[in-house]
Amino acid sequence: EPEVTQTPSHQVTQMGQEVILRCVPISNHLYFYWYRQILGQKVEFLVSFYNNEISEKSEIFDDQFSVERPDGSNFTLKIRSTKLEDSAMYFCASSTPTGGRYEQYFGPGTRLTVT
Amino acid sequence: QKEVEQDPGPLSVPEGAIVSLNCTYSNSAFQYFMWYRQYSRKGPELLMYTYSSGNKEDGRFTAQVDKSSKYISLFIRDSQPSDSATYLCAMSGGGADGLTFGKGTHLIIQP
Repeated sequence: EPEVTQTPSHQVTQMGQEVILRCVPISNHLYFYWYRQILGQKVEFLVSFYNNEISEKSEIFDDQFSVERPDGSNFTLKIRSTKLEDSAMYFCASSTPTGGRYEQYFGPGTRLTVT
Repeated sequence: QKEVEQDPGPLSVPEGAIVSLNCTYSNSAFQYFMWYRQYSRKGPELLMYTYSSGNKEDGRFTAQVDKSSKYISLFIRDSQPSDSATYLCAMSGGGADGLTFGKGTHLIIQP
């Protein structure tokens, strides 16, 4: 069964460093998303991406974040200058319209630890 | 007022019991409603997907949406220890929109 994959599973970085989180969405999906989950808190939407551009973003997704689909399979989230409060699980998801349904399937996540 | 409210639990029930999980929401624009299951430090796994009001059944799971009350439910019949997990409700206004999640209910099924 097709699934969303994410690398790395765990990333440790120092405050102020740039990190890139990578995702491979399900191959025929058209919509791509990033979410984050701070430990003990709810899953929060960051950004959605369709047709090579951002279609929606939340207040969390400020200028330090960017997304890119560098090729036909990868979808990346870049955090330019990490802060301690960026420590969280980051989930990638993908969907495609099927009979009017847009079911979002999530990857296993990348645990980002900022020290 | 928070957009999506969900009792975090924990909710502990004996094996074989019927489990009822609920969420309330405030945004009347929400049209699509989902339930996800999440095991510790794993990604959310889609269980149920419904549009607008009504019921949907899939195996041991039944999802109900009452838009007039802004209330959604997930019922699990014949609960098993393997159902022990955190259950997240999620919703959106448009099909491809980003999802708004509840905080999740931690469910424990006692053997």
